[in-house]
Amino acid sequence: RKEVEQDPGPFNVPEGATVAFNCTYSNSASQSFFWYRQDCRKEPKLLMSVYSSGNEDGRFTAQLNRASQYISLLIRDSKLSDSATYLCVVNTKNYGGSQGNLIFGKGTKLSVKP
Amino acid sequence: DAMVIQNPRYQVTQFGKPVTLSCSQTLNHNVMYWYQQKSSQAPKLLFHYYDKDFNNEADTPDNFQSRRPNTSFCFLDIRSPGLGDAAMYLCATSRAKGSLTDTQYFGPGTRLTVL
Repeated sequence: RKEVEQDPGPFNVPEGATVAFNCTYSNSASQSFFWYRQDCRKEPKLLMSVYSSGNEDGRFTAQLNRASQYISLLIRDSKLSDSATYLCVVNTKNYGGSQGNLIFGKGTKLSVKP
Repeated sequence: DAMVIQNPRYQVTQFGKPVTLSCSQTLNHNVMYWYQQKSSQAPKLLFHYYDKDFNNEADTPDNFQSRRPNTSFCFLDIRSPGLGDAAMYLCATSRAKGSLTDTQYFGPGTRLTVL
């Protein structure tokens, strides 16, 4: 299994739709996870952090399933401005372990249409 | 207010001609990273500095070097760019390496073209 794996998409959805992305990771000891958003030809920007079972911020909800080693990102009421690539990122550090690095997935591309 | 600044934003160089990319930060973060990102791929970590300690990824080619003269600045030197080195180069910073709650802040990137 790849360290961090995502469905590349693209996901093409109409405005107002609810869309969900999944991400799987291979290191069962990983403890922290992030979703970054990357617009075309721009830098990644932090969208959400996930340290426990989940996190919610407005229209965005991230959930973590440690048993199955996946993280999901749910976007409700999609806006045109949500169109971007969403990168799943796993911090390889675990409790008591050595210093880790961030491992990036390739990203899932979302296109929200009028 | 820009926190991680990269210069130049676009760099064109010739095959084999050395090039230096620059990154500066106003966050006073301990750690600075250099990533390479090619089209439709994940950012790939090249190396990072934890304060003055340099950490090279095992698969980073020798052609890539880095310098960090002080907390605020970090440079990426590509000694002999090849066509395969054309990519977006992203600089990032974090307060502490590997902290469970640590996040990385990215600069806008330098897009390198090799002719």
